[in-house]
Amino acid sequence: NAGVTQTPKFQVLKTGQSMTLQCAQDMNHEYMSWYRQDPGMGLRLIHYSVGAGITDQGEVPNGYNVSRSTTEDFPLRLLSAAPSQTSVYFCASSQDGGTVYNEQFFGPGTRLTVL
Amino acid sequence: TQLLEQSPQFLSIQEGENLTVYCNSSSVFSSLQWYRQEPGEGPVLLVTVVTGGEVKKLKRLTFQFGDARKDSSLHITAAQPGDTGLYLCAGAMEYGNKLVFGAGTILRVKS
Repeated sequence: NAGVTQTPKFQVLKTGQSMTLQCAQDMNHEYMSWYRQDPGMGLRLIHYSVGAGITDQGEVPNGYNVSRSTTEDFPLRLLSAAPSQTSVYFCASSQDGGTVYNEQFFGPGTRLTVL
Repeated sequence: TQLLEQSPQFLSIQEGENLTVYCNSSSVFSSLQWYRQEPGEGPVLLVTVVTGGEVKKLKRLTFQFGDARKDSSLHITAAQPGDTGLYLCAGAMEYGNKLVFGAGTILRVKS
């Protein structure tokens, strides 16, 4: 199993450009989420999904869109990139809810710089 | 303001020393997890604690969940250079899947 994969690993954008960060998992997990990690702030939840066709906002959703058409894929779209979106983005997946022992499996991250 | 306050933010110690990292909140969590992250990689789960007062051991690492389920600590005995990394605590506000992360503690163990 590849686990959680993310592409690209690095990306540089200009202000106003749009792009999609890809995330895929092969563990048949129902729950997937996107976080951003900034120095001194830990990981903050952007959007999450509890299953195909269902998404919801996290702590910092503004400027980002998500969709979940399949169990495996959960892309994150930046609509109009801003320098404040410079960050490292992590995708994570876990088995469906129902137990407090759920382990989140993280991808390797995408380092995004917005100029 | 972080919902989960981690301290210290940075720790640099010599090999063989002991250390403790703290994770505190005014909120009650259904569970609390500790993750370790290495540069260029995503966090990896170390442990989940669920019951107030629970203590779990993972080799030289001891994790404790506070009686009121508002705080937790990670104690490392005889630290080794391989323990170097970013340690993150994360609390589950709802039934397991939505996590709130602390800002992290950067640990460097010098040989």
